Amino acid sequence: DAGVIQSPRHEVTEMGQEVTLRCKPISGHNSLFWYRQTMMRGLELLIYFNNNVPIDDSGMPEDRFSAKMPNASFSTLKIQPSEPRDSAVYFCASSLWEGSEKLFFGSGTQLSVL
Amino acid sequence: DAKTTQPPSMDCAEGRAANLPCNHSTISGNEYVYWYRQIHSQGPQYIIHGLKNNETNEMASLIITEDRKSSTLILPHATLRDTAVYYCIVRVSAGGGNKLTFGTGTQLKVEL
Repeated sequence: DAGVIQSPRHEVTEMGQEVTLRCKPISGHNSLFWYRQTMMRGLELLIYFNNNVPIDDSGMPEDRFSAKMPNASFSTLKIQPSEPRDSAVYFCASSLWEGSEKLFFGSGTQLSVL
Repeated sequence: DAKTTQPPSMDCAEGRAANLPCNHSTISGNEYVYWYRQIHSQGPQYIIHGLKNNETNEMASLIITEDRKSSTLILPHATLRDTAVYYCIVRVSAGGGNKLTFGTGTQLKVEL
């Protein structure tokens, strides 16, 4: 299995632009998580889905952030408009089910907003 | 979820055992102890988890004290590739989503 696949690996954009991050979970996994990592705040959970349905989005910082999971094999995290403080590494993770002990993380997307 | 306390950094000689401590004195009876690690520029990786019994797998051993207020992750023969940040997390493992809360972890540096 290829693991959790995220794209792009790196993204550099200008303030005000729309940014879309993509994630393909491991086949057969029913839960998907989006995390953000910064030096100041560490790893933060933004949102998670179970069976393609958003369950908890309490970690989404503000309305500029949105996430979708149109099917079991694809999810997006969109930031519109982007701001410099959104610069971070964004990780996607998946697990067999929402209470599973093991989360499998992707390699992350390094986002830089200038 | 119970809060955990870990030393910010540790060093270990290659080939020796690395013992990483974690304090979770407010742990509840139904909370598990998880360990993940994050190698530089990679996503976190699951290592091991346990409730109250000691656990061992191909990566590491987890020793949980009888009162469950602390635990130790043991890498029996550390290699340079084990250099990473190690996170100890306490979480109820049932329903509600496995919303792992990562703290600051322990930066383990394995040296020759």
